Amino acid sequence: GQNIDQPTEMTATEGAIVQINCTYQTSGFNGLFWYQQHAGEAPTFLSYNVLDGLEEKGRFSSFLSRSKGYSYLLLKELQMKDSASYLCAVKGNTGGFKTIFGAGTRLFVKA
Amino acid sequence: DTEVTQTPKHLVMGMTNKKSLKCEQHMGHRAMYWYKQKAKKPPELMFVYSYEKLSINESVPSRFSPECPNSSLLNLHLHALQPEDSALYLCASSQAPGNEQYFGPGTRLTVT
Repeated sequence: GQNIDQPTEMTATEGAIVQINCTYQTSGFNGLFWYQQHAGEAPTFLSYNVLDGLEEKGRFSSFLSRSKGYSYLLLKELQMKDSASYLCAVKGNTGGFKTIFGAGTRLFVKA
Repeated sequence: DTEVTQTPKHLVMGMTNKKSLKCEQHMGHRAMYWYKQKAKKPPELMFVYSYEKLSINESVPSRFSPECPNSSLLNLHLHALQPEDSALYLCASSQAPGNEQYFGPGTRLTVT
């Protein structure tokens, strides 16, 4: 079966750092994506991890531990515009590399 | 051109109507996807086309019928929908199956 867990909501302050965790249990694993989705808009791709370790991209970094079934997205120097949902999505290794989305974490950035 | 376009932006239809949603990309991507998204829920995969062939159908009711006329276009034909089918319908594409996906802005569908 497939199970992806993320916190439902988080609140953080402008200028701070926030870490959004994602744990997964899937029948096959071939990579993990993070997407950002602002309310009423489409998801946009943020990062992709397939090997263990940290991938850094400007203010955003994503970490993966395959042995622990765990990833996190780290957002630094938070801005008000970072208020959005953050979706963790796991790619399987069978069936056309199907990608399953977690329920998402709604991040509220306050002044 | 680095975007996925979808038409229409909004659609209201009765339960006996037939309508179609359209999606287009000119990035040379060979995989295209349809998702359904309800408010405050994640996107739910419906169909995947890989190299213009239907590769995944997530047991979607037959009142939804996908079509991929060529590598740039993806349609979703709608017929005899139910009010619970009201949702945001998202199209996405990726360079190859399983790569990062680029989403269109979606069609907000209301079934009355």
